[in-house]
Amino acid sequence: AQKITQTQPGMFVQEKEAVTLDCTYDTSDPSYGLFWYKQPSSGEMIFLIYQGSYDQQNATEGRYSLNFQKARKSANLVISASQLGDSAMYFCAMSNTGTASKLTFGTGTRLQVTL
Amino acid sequence: NAGVTQTPKFRILKIGQSMTLQCTQDMNHNYMYWYRQDPGMGLKLIYYSVGAGITDKGEVPNGYNVSRSTTEDFPLRLELAAPSQTSVYFCASSKQRDSTEAFFGQGTRLTVV
Repeated sequence: AQKITQTQPGMFVQEKEAVTLDCTYDTSDPSYGLFWYKQPSSGEMIFLIYQGSYDQQNATEGRYSLNFQKARKSANLVISASQLGDSAMYFCAMSNTGTASKLTFGTGTRLQVTL
Repeated sequence: NAGVTQTPKFRILKIGQSMTLQCTQDMNHNYMYWYRQDPGMGLKLIYYSVGAGITDKGEVPNGYNVSRSTTEDFPLRLELAAPSQTSVYFCASSKQRDSTEAFFGQGTRLTVV
């Protein structure tokens, strides 16, 4: 069985600052994938970034980067230069297939960006 | 470009009623999924399909049924609605087995009273 833990129910960050959203995972599978999704107040799920368990380098997508520490089983999302539009729920997820099929989600972190 | 389309967006059901949540995608994706999101929680997988005619249970399948007669459509059926099925339902799709991105619909907010 796999499990995702997000221990920060809510976070605040000032505009233009960087913020780290924590995610730890548990799995016994050697191959897996880690994902971050954004859910704005409108409700849709927006894919942000993906990290494969065998990827040597941390994934980056624009202002998003994934700080992957395999030994610690953590996959934190770093958002640089926060914008007001980043205010949303953020979900960490994983799949033991290494792909986007059959995702297991954490409970999410609500990020609020302030002026 | 429509992507993944879910209907209806909102629905109120009485206990014991049945309904079908519709999901269609126009990206020719083989894999399709149904998730539910309870208040304050992450999404949980209900059912998934790896292609037309093939479906399998996810983490929380009880009380639901699915079918996949075409590549495009993946309806979710609730036979006897219960208050515990009050949730937001998301349909998603991914192109193939090694895809690392799933595309989600806008969600259906269902209330059972």
